[in-house]
Amino acid sequence: SQQGEEDPQALSIQEGENATMNCSYKTSINNLQWYRQNSGRGLVHLILIRSNEREKHSGRLRVTLDTSKKSSSLLITASRAADTASYFCATVRSGAGNNRKLIWGLGTSLAVNP
Amino acid sequence: AAGVIQSPRHLIKEKRETATLKCYPIPRHDTVYWYQQGPGQDPQFLISFYEKMQSDKGSIPDRFSAQQFSDYHSELNMSSLELGDSALYFCASSLALYRGENTEAFFGQGTRLTVV
Repeated sequence: SQQGEEDPQALSIQEGENATMNCSYKTSINNLQWYRQNSGRGLVHLILIRSNEREKHSGRLRVTLDTSKKSSSLLITASRAADTASYFCATVRSGAGNNRKLIWGLGTSLAVNP
Repeated sequence: AAGVIQSPRHLIKEKRETATLKCYPIPRHDTVYWYQQGPGQDPQFLISFYEKMQSDKGSIPDRFSAQQFSDYHSELNMSSLELGDSALYFCASSLALYRGENTEAFFGQGTRLTVV
């Protein structure tokens, strides 16, 4: 079953605006990762934030993690038309041994209009 | 930097045929994951391997099988293909998650399988 849930599921903004996407999860995690997917293309890893981190930056990306609320947000600043894609969060489910896997959310479809 | 390589990129098969998808992980990565993504859907975990042994199993049909070889590449074998198997199949690799180190999983570009 999927645990990560993205919010909103679709977002449309104008170029230059900021886009914020949220993700919630249900179990304890080791880390949370954000991925981007252009239509029909592969998944591109954007950023990973560990459970002991609260905020992380990478270029125009800012990710926050609130383990008490079991939620994360991805902020894309000064958006560009090329940022148009679907964005997924994925969490690593904790467990004993090697029995772990990435749990995916439903994704947020971001449209940046020129 | 080397990435996860999947082949073929596109594959068209008829119903009831078989298909083999290949995945070559990033060098030094010892864990491989397979995901299936139907049109407009989120990726569904199929199966994972660590050090050539199956480490986790998701919603993989009995008609599918997979293995990881000594060079760490993995193959997903799909038999008796059905129309509903048409999807994008992703492979990802990482270092073993349990190690608690660099646990990013990097994905290949995917193989688009179309069953007609």
